[in-house]
Amino acid sequence: GESVGLHLPTLSVQEGDNSIINCAYSNSASDYFIWYKQESGKGPQFIIDIRSNMDKRQGQRVTVLLNKTVKHLSLQIAATQPGDSAVYFCAERVPGNTPLVFGKGTRLSVIA
Amino acid sequence: DGGITQSPKYLFRKEGQNVTLSCEQNLNHDAMYWYRQDPGQGLRLIYYSQIVNDFQKGDIAEGYSVSREKKESFPLTVTSAQKNPTAFYLCASKTQSSTDTQYFGPGTRLTVL
Repeated sequence: GESVGLHLPTLSVQEGDNSIINCAYSNSASDYFIWYKQESGKGPQFIIDIRSNMDKRQGQRVTVLLNKTVKHLSLQIAATQPGDSAVYFCAERVPGNTPLVFGKGTRLSVIA
Repeated sequence: DGGITQSPKYLFRKEGQNVTLSCEQNLNHDAMYWYRQDPGQGLRLIYYSQIVNDFQKGDIAEGYSVSREKKESFPLTVTSAQKNPTAFYLCASKTQSSTDTQYFGPGTRLTVL
């Protein structure tokens, strides 16, 4: 079946820099996307979501961008902090209340 | 963790024994989910339930069983038929709305000796 994938499995950034985590999705019917943050040994935590009728959504220090033309999703983290170190997952859902489909995740490592 | 509890946090069992993992939520969510996560890997769906007394197989249901007798509870049994049960198990829940956020519990790390 179609699945969500990620361009980069690992990302190292200097503290204070901006981070960009990318995600490619293959199901053009997907209408809802979520980013989760998972710290070691813990359950994933919701960061931000976006519906397919939007191109951009901003939260506190985070921005999600959706490009439906190329089926690409990105998470931007401003002024990355050591506490941002974690694995980040994107997930998509197709209409019909089907279960989320998760990507493999990107590990973000913040260098102090 | 949004009102979802999983217990225990760490669980050890001998090979060949069945073991049941607990998942409880007080969010009044209709849908509940079980995922398996192996080291350095993503989340794989085991079973899900969108309403009481009903559940569906996910991508890797073999060797697992579930029940949904109460809205708040969705226990997962890892049976002896599961060939490689050692993993991190995550429970999640959400409302019936397709675009409502799905919340995760803290997870149970199962080690089969």
